[in-house]
Amino acid sequence: DAMVIQNPRYQVTQFGKPVTLSCSQTLNHNVMYWYQQKSSQAPKLLFHYYDKDFNNEADTPDNFQSRRPNTSFCFLDIRSPGLGDAAMYLCATSARQGPQEQYFGPGTRLTVT
Amino acid sequence: QKEVEQNSGPLSVPEGAIASLNCTYSDRGSQSFFWYRQYSGKSPELIMSIYSNGDKEDGRFTAQLNKASQYVSLLIRDSQPSDSATYLCAVNMLEDDKIIFGKGTRLHILP
Repeated sequence: DAMVIQNPRYQVTQFGKPVTLSCSQTLNHNVMYWYQQKSSQAPKLLFHYYDKDFNNEADTPDNFQSRRPNTSFCFLDIRSPGLGDAAMYLCATSARQGPQEQYFGPGTRLTVT
Repeated sequence: QKEVEQNSGPLSVPEGAIASLNCTYSDRGSQSFFWYRQYSGKSPELIMSIYSNGDKEDGRFTAQLNKASQYVSLLIRDSQPSDSATYLCAVNMLEDDKIIFGKGTRLHILP
C-alpha cells in the first residue's frame, strides 16, 4: 500500500544532543511537510518542500533544519534539542503545491530528558 | 493574523445521534477546506475536503461550507463510539500555498 512512513516512532534524546527524524513516502508526491504538534494544539508547520525547493516558515527556530535528498525521503534535524522541543513530529505529503489534501505519517514522539 | 477557530470541547453526543462540529476562519479568500480526524496519540487522518458552497456527503459524514459566513462544519450521522476523537479543521490561506489547522474539537460519543 502507498503510504507515508516515519522512523523512529518514539525517540528519546538528551538535552542538547542532536537528533534526526526521518520520513519516507511511496505515494510519489511532490510536496513534503514537517509539522510539530504539542498536546492539545494545532499542528504547526515547520518546513515544506516542493520537489527540492525548500520553504522555511518565518517562525521556525534555527535549531531545526531539514533535508530532502530525493523525492521519497525527507529528514528533520534538531541540532540542540531543548525541553520545549518535546512534541509529536508529523511528516505529511501532498500531490502538488497549493492547498491540497495532505496525507500524514504516523508521527515521531520526541522526548527530551 | 490568519486564524482557524474551533470550540475545543469536549463535545459529548449519545451513540446513534448526529454530531455537529463547527469551524470559522478569518481569510475571506480561502478556497479549500479540510476535516481531519485525530485519535489520541496518533496522526491526523483526512476524512473530508470541500471546495464549493453547500453540502458534500461521504457515508456518514457531511461537510457543509458557507463562504459568505466564513463557516465550515462537519456532521457525523449515526455516531459510533469509534468516532470519539479530535477533529481538526484546516483551511488554505489565499496568500500562500499552506493550510492552517485549528486546534481541534474533542468529540466523545457516549455508549
